[in-house]
Amino acid sequence: GQQLNQSPQSMFIQEGEDVSMNCTSSSIFNTWLWYKQEPGEGPVLLIALYKAGELTSNGRLTAQFGITRKDSFLNISASIPSDVGIYFCAGPTLGTYKYIFGTGTRLKVLA
Amino acid sequence: NAGVTQTPKFRILKIGQSMTLQCTQDMNHNYMYWYRQDPGMGLKLIYYSVGAGITDKGEVPNGYNVSRSTTEDFPLRLELAAPSQTSVYFCASSYDSDTQYFGPGTRLTVL
Repeated sequence: GQQLNQSPQSMFIQEGEDVSMNCTSSSIFNTWLWYKQEPGEGPVLLIALYKAGELTSNGRLTAQFGITRKDSFLNISASIPSDVGIYFCAGPTLGTYKYIFGTGTRLKVLA
Repeated sequence: NAGVTQTPKFRILKIGQSMTLQCTQDMNHNYMYWYRQDPGMGLKLIYYSVGAGITDKGEVPNGYNVSRSTTEDFPLRLELAAPSQTSVYFCASSYDSDTQYFGPGTRLTVL
């Protein structure tokens, strides 16, 4: 089946640093979604991308829809302690409502 | 608005027992989803529904059943529980399929 591979698997960074993570697939996606999950809770949608090459921002977060439609990137600028969590990319298999979630990038911010 | 509510929060089952995980949303969303999340992993789609009376299989439907008799409720039934079904189960709802609002999860252990 389809898989979304995320890298890095985990990151330890200092508060104030910028963060970059990516998500790749062997198949094309028409929609890329980035979710954040905090401990003991369900994921929360951060950014949705709908067009190849699209760059979208949400505060300190910026995400890009790769030109090949097989990848996406999420950047967090000037990280703060509340950025701690697991970041998942996700998207629906082409032509369906079946959503695939990536393996996750675990972010820890050291104050 | 309560959003998406799930009951119970925790449950321990013996092998072979059955149970129903409840999910209710008060946002009048047509799309609803059931995911499972194994420790340290991403979410895997079990079943989804695009509206009352319509359900379809996701990536990992074996051992589970669902029904959607109303817009608000989307219960997940486990028949003959097995240790492999030990996981955290998340229900989600959406108005546009992409922006999914997740419940707090049900932590299930099968012994």
